[in-house]
Amino acid sequence: SQQGEEDPQALSIQEGENATMNCSYKTSINNLQWYRQNSGRGLVHLILIRSNEREKHSGRLRVTLDTSKKSSSLLITASRAADTASYFCATDDSGGSNYKLTFGKGTLLTVNP
Amino acid sequence: DGGITQSPKYLFRKEGQNVTLSCEQNLNHDAMYWYRQDPGQGLRLIYYSQIVNDFQKGDIAEGYSVSREKKESFPLTVTSAQKNPTAFYLCASTRSPSGTQYFGPGTRLLVL
Repeated sequence: SQQGEEDPQALSIQEGENATMNCSYKTSINNLQWYRQNSGRGLVHLILIRSNEREKHSGRLRVTLDTSKKSSSLLITASRAADTASYFCATDDSGGSNYKLTFGKGTLLTVNP
Repeated sequence: DGGITQSPKYLFRKEGQNVTLSCEQNLNHDAMYWYRQDPGQGLRLIYYSQIVNDFQKGDIAEGYSVSREKKESFPLTVTSAQKNPTAFYLCASTRSPSGTQYFGPGTRLLVL
């Protein structure tokens, strides 16, 4: 079963707008990661947030984590057409194998020029 | 350049045939992974290996086999027992537990 579930499944915005994607998960975690995938390519790591952190920034990316609600959000500010991609959250399981990550089904973001 | 490579980019399989997908990394990572991705879906873990000569089944290991004879290499064989092999296959590696995974460009497997 999927550990992480992203919401919405698809998001279409205009260039310059902000995009927010959400992720919910089920078990206790050590950390949560966000990845990006351009069509037909491998995934690229964006940001990792640890379970004792509440917010993290990287350039135009802002990630929040609420372990009490088992949820995370990824905010992309001032979006660009080049941000068009699928975005996945991935979680480990602090009660299981630390080497395994479980990925959600992703949010497909389309940024229109 | 350091990185993770996969070959071939496209692979065609005939009925009853076993095919092997290659994954090589020069990042000196101990752990390596194979994922399957179906259209519009997330990644599902097939097999992973934490160290040379050791590997564990993931969530969908049936119909697949792996080996880990060298740290740099983690080939995946899609056997004839896998009845629905058409998918995008991604290999990844990581330096540490729960850490960032680095992905290859993927192999798209199609059935003739």
